[in-house]
Amino acid sequence: DAKTTQPTSMDCAEGRAANLPCNHSTISGNEYVYWYRQIHSQGPQYIIHGLKNNETNEMASLIITEDRKSSTLILPHATLRDTAVYYCIVRWRAGGFKTIFGAGTRLFVKA
Amino acid sequence: DVKVTQSSRYLVKRTGEKVFLECVQDMDHENMFWYRQDPGLGLRLIYFSYDVKMKEKGDIPEGYSVSREKKERFSLILESASTNQTSMYLCASSFTDQDRISEQYFGPGTRLTVT
Repeated sequence: DAKTTQPTSMDCAEGRAANLPCNHSTISGNEYVYWYRQIHSQGPQYIIHGLKNNETNEMASLIITEDRKSSTLILPHATLRDTAVYYCIVRWRAGGFKTIFGAGTRLFVKA
Repeated sequence: DVKVTQSSRYLVKRTGEKVFLECVQDMDHENMFWYRQDPGLGLRLIYFSYDVKMKEKGDIPEGYSVSREKKERFSLILESASTNQTSMYLCASSFTDQDRISEQYFGPGTRLTVT
């Protein structure tokens, strides 16, 4: 699976958009980009995934660059409850079931 | 909504005890997983199962065993608990998709302390 690089931490003001970047320059054509988050003392929570096109769901939007070497997770109106560690992962089926959660980005949403 | 439940949020056991951690999912998912999460080490896969009675070792299976007798239930067993098994244990489930590995849905975790 391709390696991902994320900033260690970020701050965001409550009510503003939080934009979390992820670099995955070695991504292959079959690999999907997944985002999870983990709120303190809870299990990771799936947020969104995409292959080539931008995606949106009730939680977030995922913007993938045309060359697919990077992506951005957007939380449109961050709340205090969005404070968490956000993980960007790239995976494909032939890679098996192993999912590597790196260190992620610690997002602090401040009032 | 997918629901993955774990039998206990907190558990304290003594060294040498046999420990059972239970996980149940209600979405008819084929795949189930057990991870442990430790500070600085991230999530590490212990075992996974892709079907009833089927199991595969993950990265750190030593000291653990698993059981999957029913599709919705996946149990992690510590045969003889040791202090280095003090950790947060997370169960997850996922479905089988034709062209990708589907997202995993996690339970709330069990914080196990072995004294």
